[in-house]
Order: sequence, then structure tokens, then C-alpha cells
Amino acid sequence: QKEVEQDPGPLSVPEGAIVSLNCTYSNSAFQYFMWYRQYSRKGPELLMYTYSSGNKEDGRFTAQVDKSSKYISLFIRDSQPSDSATYLCAMSEEGGGNKLTFGTGTQLKVEL
Amino acid sequence: KAGVTQTPRYLIKTRGQQVTLSCSPISGHRSVSWYQQTPGQGLQFLFEYFSETQRNKGNFPGRFSGRQFSNSRSEMNVSTLELGDSALYLCASSVGTGGGSPLHFGNGTRLTVT
Repeated sequence: QKEVEQDPGPLSVPEGAIVSLNCTYSNSAFQYFMWYRQYSRKGPELLMYTYSSGNKEDGRFTAQVDKSSKYISLFIRDSQPSDSATYLCAMSEEGGGNKLTFGTGTQLKVEL
Repeated sequence: KAGVTQTPRYLIKTRGQQVTLSCSPISGHRSVSWYQQTPGQGLQFLFEYFSETQRNKGNFPGRFSGRQFSNSRSEMNVSTLELGDSALYLCASSVGTGGGSPLHFGNGTRLTVT
């Protein structure tokens, strides 16, 4: 079983919908949680970065971390066709340096 | 501010050869990390360098090595290439090492081993 599990999708939604993306993990030592967006033929782009439990909002994006359930989420409001990409969750331990453990990514398509 | 630059973008090599990939971090970033991305395994951590010292290493064979120069630029080398080494190799830089220093990725080098 992988340390980080993420539904690969694909997930298809209409423009304007609220999108919910999720990851579960098994390593209780993870303290830093990230969401990256990756377009085809590009490197991952950092969207959200949170420490420990709680919520963080940035524009149309909201990240939630529930350490008691070992569950993190990314919500995208008012989704746009330009949001169509693969979304990757990533996590790291306190003192783990820049060693991130990634989920396999969820492919999202926002349709007109 | 320029992002992380990786060269070359594409490489085709033959089994048994060796290859060197290059990464220039964002100006002011002192940490460089390398990741391998494949359809089957996703993104996997290779190693991290900070101030020219390897700080962390992933679970890859010794054929994979790297180094960092005094200007923070980094190279990774893969010797005795195998077909399974075909992947997108991503370099990421950050200001420091560890929590509080988010990683910023380049667009990768696509390596194909035939």
C-alpha cells in the first residue's frame, strides 16, 4: 500500500462547478502538505502549501488538512477550462528536508 | 524572476550509455532536489542538495548520482542506462531545506532509453 493514495480520475465537470480533490495518507509524521497542478509537458506548479491541520484559502482554491483522519482536500470554486490539468498532492515530514511524497495525481477536465 | 531551468528538454540514449542532466535553480535558491516521474510510479524523490552537500537520498540504485556547484546549479548523472530509466526527470529548487521552503519545479528533461 502506498503512503499517499489519490484517485487518478479522470474527473470531468462542467464549467463553473465546484471541484473536490482528495488524498489520504498513512504516515502520521507528515506535517507539510502541498497541492501542485501539472499541465501536459510542463513541470508541477505549486498551488497551495499548508502546515499541519487547518484550512487555507487563496482565490478560488481552498486547501483543507485533517490530520486526525489523515485526509487532505483541495476545493476549486467556479472551475474554468483552464483548470484542466493533473492535480498532485504532496507531503513531507518535519526534518525531512525537501523529500516530498506525492500522490499519483488526479486528472481533471473542465468542460464548456 | 526566471524559473527553474533544465537542459536539455529531450534526450534519447541507448541502453548502457550514461547521461548528465543539468538544472539552474531560481536565483537565491540554495536547495536543489531531483525527482523522477513515470506513468507507473508517479513522482519519486531521487536526492536533495543544499550548499553543495547531499542532504537526502531516495531509494534509487547507485547508478543515479548528482552534485551541486557553488553557484547552486546542479547536475544529475545516470550511468549504465536501462530501459526502465525512461522518464521525465524534474528538478526543483527552494530557498532552504525542509518545511517552510516550498519547492518550485522546472519543466523537466524527458529521457528516452532505447
